[in-house]
Amino acid sequence: KAGVTQTPRYLIKTRGQQVTLSCSPISGHRSVSWYQQTPGQGLQFLFEYFSETQRNKGNFPGRFSGRQFSNSRSEMNVSTLELGDSALYLCASSLDSSTVNEKLFFGSGTQLSVL
Amino acid sequence: AQSVTQLDSHVSVSEGTPVLLRCNYSSSYSPSLFWYVQHPNKGLQLLLKYTSAATLVKGINGFEAEFKKSETSFHLTKPSAHMSDAAEYFCVVTRSGNTPLVFGKGTRLSVIA
Repeated sequence: KAGVTQTPRYLIKTRGQQVTLSCSPISGHRSVSWYQQTPGQGLQFLFEYFSETQRNKGNFPGRFSGRQFSNSRSEMNVSTLELGDSALYLCASSLDSSTVNEKLFFGSGTQLSVL
Repeated sequence: AQSVTQLDSHVSVSEGTPVLLRCNYSSSYSPSLFWYVQHPNKGLQLLLKYTSAATLVKGINGFEAEFKKSETSFHLTKPSAHMSDAAEYFCVVTRSGNTPLVFGKGTRLSVIA
């Protein structure tokens, strides 16, 4: 069974640009969540999608957005990039939306560098 | 609000010696607690979880953790470290249902041969 796939693996952008990251969950998983990982702030929750609906949203500005398609694949978009957006963006999938009962499977992440 | 504090940013042990990674939590509700591990250039992997059942939780690769409510702690232990245990470890708390996970800042474990 294939794991969670995130593309691209590395990305370099300049300030002001926008970027779209992709996440393909494990087959059959309907929940996809996104996290930002930085050395200073650690892992922070961005948002979670379940069956194409956003279920939860973290404390990030509106420049960060996401969506989920009918095949459960998810994309996140960051507009007007800032230097502070440089981070490892991790996607996780699970069968259902319960973070207590469901095991999360993480992808290897997309390393975004903003210059 | 919930939070976790990992008391050590870096722990170094010799191969074959015990591992102790410390985590304290704060939660207004009965928490669910997890430990995740992240190897270099890999995604996070669940080691174990506590969800109000047995207070001593056994996980994969010989790791275990004990939930101590009186001390608000959930320390991760392993009797004998292996070189392959070198990684970043995250203590995580959540409340219930589909509340988002709250991660600690992580503890980097180094294992010396």
